Amino acid sequence: KQEVTQIPAALSVPEGENLVLNCSFTDSAIYNLQWFRQDPGKGLTSLLLIQSSQREQTSGRLNASLDKSSGRSTLYIAASQPGDSATYLCAVRDTNAGKSTFGDGTTLTVKP
Amino acid sequence: DGGITQSPKYLFRKEGQNVTLSCEQNLNHDAMYWYRQDPGQGLRLIYYSQIVNDFQKGDIAEGYSVSREKKESFPLTVTSAQKNPTAFYLCASNPGTSGYNEQFFGPGTRLTVL
Repeated sequence: KQEVTQIPAALSVPEGENLVLNCSFTDSAIYNLQWFRQDPGKGLTSLLLIQSSQREQTSGRLNASLDKSSGRSTLYIAASQPGDSATYLCAVRDTNAGKSTFGDGTTLTVKP
Repeated sequence: DGGITQSPKYLFRKEGQNVTLSCEQNLNHDAMYWYRQDPGQGLRLIYYSQIVNDFQKGDIAEGYSVSREKKESFPLTVTSAQKNPTAFYLCASNPGTSGYNEQFFGPGTRLTVL
């Protein structure tokens, strides 16, 4: 059974800092990995989708990498801003079950 | 605008009642999903449907039921058999059954049992 772990559970940084969020998964037989942002009491907003054949994806200040063989993904946020404060979740889509498994998320606070 | 709508935003249920959460999408997506989220946790899959008139149980289907009579609609019923239904419920969709597709989410329904 796929398990997805996100470390750390919470992170607080000053504005302007570059930071990395981690996501690890136990079964490398995946279609893709997707990073989401969730604001309190809201739904999930898709940030980046990395297919299993890709190594990284970039969107603006965000860069996500995928190392399928080691079961790891990172989300890099450059020049963090207070508006980046949210919970970030990663989700892995399995080839075996065809379903997505989510991590518990990392709650990021960017202080002005 | 295309997207996923969920209603109501907040729902209160008395013990022993069944309640139905609505999920509608105008994205012309084939696949739809229901997830449950508890405080400080990730999402757990309740049910999913890859095509009209067909659906499968997810990891925590007990106490829930769904239907998929129309492509754009995937309502979730929380029955009295669900012992701890207080949670945040999220509906999602993706374009098709290919595993390479991106998932999109609705704004969620917060259910509270009184």
